[in-house]
Parts: sequence; C-alpha cells; structure tokens
Amino acid sequence: EPEVTQTPSHQVTQMGQEVILRCVPISNHLYFYWYRQILGQKVEFLVSFYNNEISEKSEIFDDQFSVERPDGSNFTLKIRSTKLEDSAMYFCASSEQQLNQPQHFGDGTRLSIL
Amino acid sequence: DQQVKQNSPSLSVQEGRISILNCDYTNSMFDYFLWYKKYPAEGPTFLISISSIKDKNEDGRFTVFLNKSAKHLSLHIVPSQPGDSAVYFCAAAGDSGNTPLVFGKGTRLSVIA
Repeated sequence: EPEVTQTPSHQVTQMGQEVILRCVPISNHLYFYWYRQILGQKVEFLVSFYNNEISEKSEIFDDQFSVERPDGSNFTLKIRSTKLEDSAMYFCASSEQQLNQPQHFGDGTRLSIL
Repeated sequence: DQQVKQNSPSLSVQEGRISILNCDYTNSMFDYFLWYKKYPAEGPTFLISISSIKDKNEDGRFTVFLNKSAKHLSLHIVPSQPGDSAVYFCAAAGDSGNTPLVFGKGTRLSVIA
C-alpha cells in the first residue's frame, strides 16, 4: 500500500539553527499538509499546499516557517531559526483531489531543539 | 478552543468485547469526520470516515456513528482484539474534507486478553 515517507525520523538541532524536514507524499495525491504534535498535546495543523502554493496556514505558521515542493516528489518544511518551543513531532500528510478523501500521514519527524 | 473533544483519555476493554470511543464537536461547519489510530513512534493511521450526509459507516470490525443534532460521533470496534490497543484520534474537517483536520486529544484504548 502506498505511504507517506518522512525523513529524518529524529532531528536534533541547536536553537537558532535552520532545519529542513522532508516528506515524500503518496504519488497521485495533490494536497499536502504539515501538522505538529507537541508532547502531551493535540495534533495541530500548520499549513496546507496545493497547486504549488500555500492554500491555508494556521497562526503557528509564522515567518519562521516555509514550505516548498522542490521537485515532483518531495515536500519540505523549513524552520529558519529554531526556538525551544519548536520541539515537537512533525507529521506530513497528503490526500487525493476529491471530496471526502482522508489524509494519510507519515510516521513523523521528532524535532528536538537544544 | 476545543472544537473537537474526546472526553475519555483512556478506555480498557476485554478481548472479544465491544469498544466504544466517543467524540463531540462544536463547529457546525464540519461535514467530514475521521478516526485515526496511532501506535507509539508511528504517524496516525486512517481507520474510517463518515460524511455528514450519512449517520453510519461500517468497515469490517469498525463502525462509525454520527449524530448531527447532538454533534456527536462514536467509533465501535467489535470484537476488540489486543492489536487494537493504541491511541485513537477523532478528527473533523469542513468543505467535504477540503479544510485542515481538527483533532481531538485522543483516547488510549487498552484491550486486555
């Protein structure tokens, strides 16, 4: 069964450094998403991406965050200058371009900011 | 701002019995609802969904019921198996699934052999 893959599984970074999280969505999917889950809290939406542009973003997704689809398969989340509070699990998801289709999630990247 | 609420943080059920997980929502714009299962160190795995035009959707051992007037949905697992032990998340979206998912906090299900 096709799946969303994310790399790395764990990223440890010094505060203030840039980090790039990578995702390969399911190949025929056209909608892409990033979510995060801080330890002990809910899964929260960050950003959605369709047709090579951001379609929606949350308050969390400030100027420190950016997303890109650099080629036909990868979808990346960049955090420019990481803060301690960016420590979380980051999940990528993708879905088909049809009504009432579920989002399928990757296994996440655990980001630890020191 | 808890638009999607799962009020039971945990549930224990005997193997073979029915597990019922509950979820309430407040936003009447939600029209597509999903259940995900999550094991430690893995991402949420899609289980089953229901659109607001239905009140029941069944897939094998899993059935989701939607009560729109009460803004309540539930997931029934029958018979429960030890492999079902995981955290279950309820999620909701609007615009027939084309808006971002809003998740509940999750319910940890333990199925005891």
